Amino acid sequence: AQKVTQAQTEISVVEKEDVTLDCVYETRDTTYYLFWYKQPPSGELVFLIRRNSFDEQNEISGRYSWNFQKSTSSFNFTITASQVVDSAVYFCALSPNDYKLSFGAGTTVTVRA
Amino acid sequence: DAGITQSPRHKVTETGTPVTLRCHQTENHRYMYWYRQDPGHGLRLIHYSYGVKDTDKGEVSDGYSVSRSKTEDFLLTLESATSSQTSVYFCAISEPTRGGRNTEAFFGQGTRLTVV
Repeated sequence: AQKVTQAQTEISVVEKEDVTLDCVYETRDTTYYLFWYKQPPSGELVFLIRRNSFDEQNEISGRYSWNFQKSTSSFNFTITASQVVDSAVYFCALSPNDYKLSFGAGTTVTVRA
Repeated sequence: DAGITQSPRHKVTETGTPVTLRCHQTENHRYMYWYRQDPGHGLRLIHYSYGVKDTDKGEVSDGYSVSRSKTEDFLLTLESATSSQTSVYFCAISEPTRGGRNTEAFFGQGTRLTVV
């Protein structure tokens, strides 16, 4: 069975602060994929990143960065210099090679001006 | 944006009535999914399809059925709606790479269903 844990339910920061979202996963599969999605207040789900289990390189995209550590089964997400537009619910998801996604419960990020 | 349309976007229905939600895609993706989103649970998979007439259950399939008679359409039916099925329903699509690797799923706008 697959399981994704996002222990942080809500995070509130002031604009320009950095914020790190934790994601811990469980799977018995040796090949799997990890994802992050953003759900802004408007409700749609926006894909942010995909990472496969055999690529542990960290990735940076603008103010976003991801730290994948297989040894601790974690795939953490950092927003640098947060902005009000980053306020959203962020979901971590896991998929073994059967194309189904298992989502964490989500972390609500509120960025205050 | 991926071409995914969910209909209706909002629906209020009475307990015990049947309800059908429609997902239509224009991307010709092989995989289609129905998820429900509830506070504290994230998104949970109800059913998915890996081709025309090929469907399988997800983790919360009880009380739901699906059908896929064409590549572009995936229907979710609540045979007899209950209040516990009040939720936001999302359709998603994905297409594996040629090597069979997983790719990201793209989601529709969601359908807010209220069962009273």
